[in-house]
Amino acid sequence: GAGVSQSPRYKVAKRGQDVALRCDPISGHVSLFWYQQALGQGPEFLTYFQNEAQLDKSGLPSDRFFAERPEGSVSTLKIQRTQQEDSAVYLCASSLALDYTGELFFGEGSRLTVL
Amino acid sequence: AQKITQTQPGMFVQEKEAVTLDCTYDTSDQSYGLFWYKQPSSGEMIFLIYQGSYDEQNATEGRYSLNFQKARKSANLVISASQLGDSAMYFCAMREGNSGAGSYQLTFGKGTKLSVIP
Repeated sequence: GAGVSQSPRYKVAKRGQDVALRCDPISGHVSLFWYQQALGQGPEFLTYFQNEAQLDKSGLPSDRFFAERPEGSVSTLKIQRTQQEDSAVYLCASSLALDYTGELFFGEGSRLTVL
Repeated sequence: AQKITQTQPGMFVQEKEAVTLDCTYDTSDQSYGLFWYKQPSSGEMIFLIYQGSYDEQNATEGRYSLNFQKARKSANLVISASQLGDSAMYFCAMREGNSGAGSYQLTFGKGTKLSVIP
């Protein structure tokens, strides 16, 4: 497809389980972002990739969160030993522009529920 | 201080009427971009409109216009001729030009829930 694709759309995990969320950005988009959106809140920045390089991971809430984009296209966000506070929608976005002017194109998100 | 402030948690508007959604921002950068996104209940973030800090004209996209008042640091979204399908969450967001990490991340407000009444 032409848009940003995320999978799975829904994930239920038991507390303590590891989860992996996948993002397939728009072809040719160099910039890739991960955001976390808690219920009733705006998205909050987690991490940023320019091609395969992770240039900013200042938003990752703990060392249980890990993201990679090894070949500069598909990205995976991994959460280890999930906790209930990790329950949120995880949004992936990609952008063509390398500066502040470009629109971010978002995927539909992966909704994680930790029991 | 919050970088993006949306003071209206919820708004109601009659179908076919115009509505203004408020947004103020805080930045010391001279170069920045302001965005509005719509998020229906299905969850996807839909881009509506963009205003650059150096743009002298207010941005317009169809029924959407952005009332950009730089001195007041406000970037209100105006939706004209509201439709039932406009019912959704609306988020104001900013990308700052002076990003030390080079990420040019979008910073979002908390959103406004718009309900269009038939």
